[in-house]
Amino acid sequence: GENVEQHPSTLSVQEGDSAVIKCTYSDSASNYFPWYKQELGKRPQLIIDIRSNVGEKKDQRIAVTLNKTAKHFSLHITETQPEDSAVYFCAAPHTGGFKTIFGAGTRLFVKA
Amino acid sequence: EAQVTQNPRYLITVTGKKLTVTCSQNMNHEYMSWYRQDPGLGLRQIYYSMNVEVTDKGDVPEGYKVSRKEKRNFPLILESPSPNQTSLYFCASSPGTVANNEQFFGPGTRLTVL
Repeated sequence: GENVEQHPSTLSVQEGDSAVIKCTYSDSASNYFPWYKQELGKRPQLIIDIRSNVGEKKDQRIAVTLNKTAKHFSLHITETQPEDSAVYFCAAPHTGGFKTIFGAGTRLFVKA
Repeated sequence: EAQVTQNPRYLITVTGKKLTVTCSQNMNHEYMSWYRQDPGLGLRQIYYSMNVEVTDKGDVPEGYKVSRKEKRNFPLILESPSPNQTSLYFCASSPGTVANNEQFFGPGTRLTVL
């Protein structure tokens, strides 16, 4: 069936370390891969996205990599800071691009 | 200010009492969607709409209805709420008619069904 698997569900890192979150998707026609950050009590907000015609995209300390052959994409956060602590969600369009399926989320803790 | 609004933000109701959660966006977006968020399950899509009068089921549509009579509004209707619909609900909108652009989320509606 259609799904997006996200790992790990919880990640704890020391301030300054890197964090990596991985997602796999099922629909080979998916062509857009966003990452959303949700701080406690707030709405999800886009932090970075990538389209299927590129393999990597960076924005300061955040990067996303895409492997279309393996159908997985990853979020990389370098030099983590306490304000990076949040829940992160990946997503991918399915069913002809009309439906959105989110991963179950990763709770990231950055210890000062 | 470009935004997605939802009302009410908090609602406690009883089983079987019909309710509507409103959603409105002022960005002229074609694509709108409703999600429910439950611990450990992430965001699950309830219904989506690609444009006015065009809606379709997401992954968890049972017990919900939607309508899209105007481009800016996308209300979520629970005809006969049950306790398993207790959840945090988000409305979102996005440019284009498919789900391959950034989605802008509303502030959320926390619903409790007793």
